[in-house]
Amino acid sequence: GAVVSQHPSRVICKSGTSVKIECRSLDFQATTMFWYRQFPKQSLMLMATSNEGSKATYEQGVEKDKFLINHASLTLSTLTVTSAHPEDSSFYICSASKSAGGLEDEQYFGPGTRLTVT
Amino acid sequence: AQKITQTQPGMFVQEKEAVTLDCTYDTSDQSYGLFWYKQPSSGEMIFLIYQGSYDEQNATEGRYSLNFQKARKSANLVISASQLGDSAMYFCAMSATDKLIFGTGTRLQVFP
Repeated sequence: GAVVSQHPSRVICKSGTSVKIECRSLDFQATTMFWYRQFPKQSLMLMATSNEGSKATYEQGVEKDKFLINHASLTLSTLTVTSAHPEDSSFYICSASKSAGGLEDEQYFGPGTRLTVT
Repeated sequence: AQKITQTQPGMFVQEKEAVTLDCTYDTSDQSYGLFWYKQPSSGEMIFLIYQGSYDEQNATEGRYSLNFQKARKSANLVISASQLGDSAMYFCAMSATDKLIFGTGTRLQVFP
C-alpha cells in the first residue's frame, strides 16, 4: 500500500501562536508532497507543492511567510502555521506522490488535521 | 484555465440502486487525468478511480465505473449497487501539469 500519516489529527491553539503539522509517507518515498486546506463543506484548495530538498511552490494568494513548508526528507513534510488567527481554523490535508507529478500519478492523502485557533 | 464542475451539491439513492454523480471539466491540455475521491465524515480522501484522457475504454474498479465522454468533457462516476457505507462526499479532480484541481463535491446519501 501507500500510507500517509498526519500528526496531530486535531489541534487547538491560541491566537498568535504557531503550530506545526507533520505529514509522513510511511511505506514509500514521496518525491512530491502537497498541502491542501478545506473549509467546512467546501472543496480542497491546494496551498503549496513541495519537493524534497527544495523550496515549496505556493499557490496564488497563499502567504508563504505565514504557512511555512519544509520538505526535509523523502518521507516527511511539515506545515507550520505561524502567528495563527481564528480565520486560519480549517482542515489541513497533505498528500504525497511517488514521482515528480505525471498526469496519472496518484496522490496518496493523509487523514487530515483539524486546526482550531481560539 | 482548468476547471472542474460538479453541479449536484447533494444526491439521494436507495440502497442497492445505481447512482451517477456528474462531473464536467474544462482544459486546453491534450493530456490530462481525471480522478474521483470519496471523503467520508472522518475526513480522509479515498481514491476511487482514474481515467486518462487517452484511455479509450471507460475505467472500472469494482462497483465504480467512470463514464468518460471526451467530446462532452464529462467524467461521470457511476456507483452500482449502492451501500449505506457509500454515504459520503465525492470529489471529481483533474490532474493538470503537476497538481490536482478539485470540484466542489457532491454529498451522496444512501438510504435503506
